[in-house]
Amino acid sequence: NAGVMQNPRHLVRRRGQEARLRCSPMKGHSHVYWYRQLPEEGLKFMVYLQKENIIDESGMPKERFSAEFPKEGPSILRIQQVVRGDSAAYFCASSPGQGTLHFGNGTRLTVT
Amino acid sequence: KNQVEQSPQSLIILEGKNCTLQCNYTVSPFSNLRWYKQDTGRGPVSLTIMTFSENTKSNGRYTATLDADTKQSSLHITASQLSDSASYICVVSPFENAGNMLTFGGGTRLMVKP
Repeated sequence: NAGVMQNPRHLVRRRGQEARLRCSPMKGHSHVYWYRQLPEEGLKFMVYLQKENIIDESGMPKERFSAEFPKEGPSILRIQQVVRGDSAAYFCASSPGQGTLHFGNGTRLTVT
Repeated sequence: KNQVEQSPQSLIILEGKNCTLQCNYTVSPFSNLRWYKQDTGRGPVSLTIMTFSENTKSNGRYTATLDADTKQSSLHITASQLSDSASYICVVSPFENAGNMLTFGGGTRLMVKP
């Protein structure tokens, strides 16, 4: 049973480009969470999705950031017109609704 | 404001020694507290979870304690191994199954040297 899969593991973008981060939850998990981890800081919640629905996006910046979890396929975190401050590790976690969150190994975004 | 503070920020110990990591929190309400291990370049992995009524929980060489009155938790690692080198993160949840309301500590970076 594969764990939470995130890709790419590393992503380099120039300022102004778009970044797309993908997350495939564990089999049977319909709840997906995205977190951001800045160097030397704790993880911060960004957005919580269930299949086709955004449940809570209170942690996500209002501009440039969007997330989706379509009926088929992985969850996508999209960052438009990236800036240097977007450089961070982005983690996805999934759960079946109750129980432990399972984290992926993250996507490390570097904006040059 | 909900906060989770961990100490020390970093720690170096020799292989085979024990160590204790601290976590203080001001999250309210309180449902549960988890300790996670995060290896470099990887995602966090859950070690223990404790609810309000639990004082101690063990997982192999890891033992977590919780004092809900003083809002403090500790993670004790016994007979450390090189593979214990990682960041250890304390995470507090105000409600059950509230992945969108977790408060994460900044972690303690542990290095175990031979």
